[in-house]
Amino acid sequence: GQNIDQPTEMTATEGAIVQINCTYQTSGFNGLFWYQQHAGEAPTFLSYNVLDGLEEKGRFSSFLSRSKGYSYLLLKELQMKDSASYLCAVEESNYQLIWGAGTKLIIKP
Amino acid sequence: IAGITQAPTSQILAAGRRMTLRCTQDMRHNAMYWYRQDLGLGLRLIHYSNTAGTTGKGEVPDGYSVSRANTDDFPLTLASAVPSQTSVYFCASSEGEANEQFFGPGTRLTVL
Repeated sequence: GQNIDQPTEMTATEGAIVQINCTYQTSGFNGLFWYQQHAGEAPTFLSYNVLDGLEEKGRFSSFLSRSKGYSYLLLKELQMKDSASYLCAVEESNYQLIWGAGTKLIIKP
Repeated sequence: IAGITQAPTSQILAAGRRMTLRCTQDMRHNAMYWYRQDLGLGLRLIHYSNTAGTTGKGEVPDGYSVSRANTDDFPLTLASAVPSQTSVYFCASSEGEANEQFFGPGTRLTVL
């Protein structure tokens, strides 16, 4: 079956680094997306990984291991505005996205 | 307008009523999607359209219908609303396959 797992909630301190993990089992795989969603708002795109390895984009990086069905989102130099939910989504062979339930990240001063 | 818009922002609806959620994008994207988001669950795809004139069923299509008469508009209709359709509905669009999706602000629907 199809399954995407993320931790429900994480807490981190302002200025620190946090890693949000995502594991997946899907019938097909084209790539993996990470989105950010602030409470009451729409999801917004963060990253898209197709190949294994680390993609860095400013304070945010995303890693993919296709053989392990694993990805993580790394957030550095955390700011209060990073408090949000982070959604992992796998793009299947038919280009439809299967979404994880999201990880709520709480940043403390 | 810039981007993707949805209407209404929120709605309380009596069970059994018909309701159409509107979605319009001005980015000339080919693909459009309707999702519902429920607490503790990931976004679930209701229906999608890869291009004007075509639609397809997603993961949870029952009780919903869509049309795509042109590139910009992708309305979602609940023919006879039921309480289990209480949810936040997001419309999204993308240039095509394997491209990031842009989301509208969402419609919060409550069916009583």
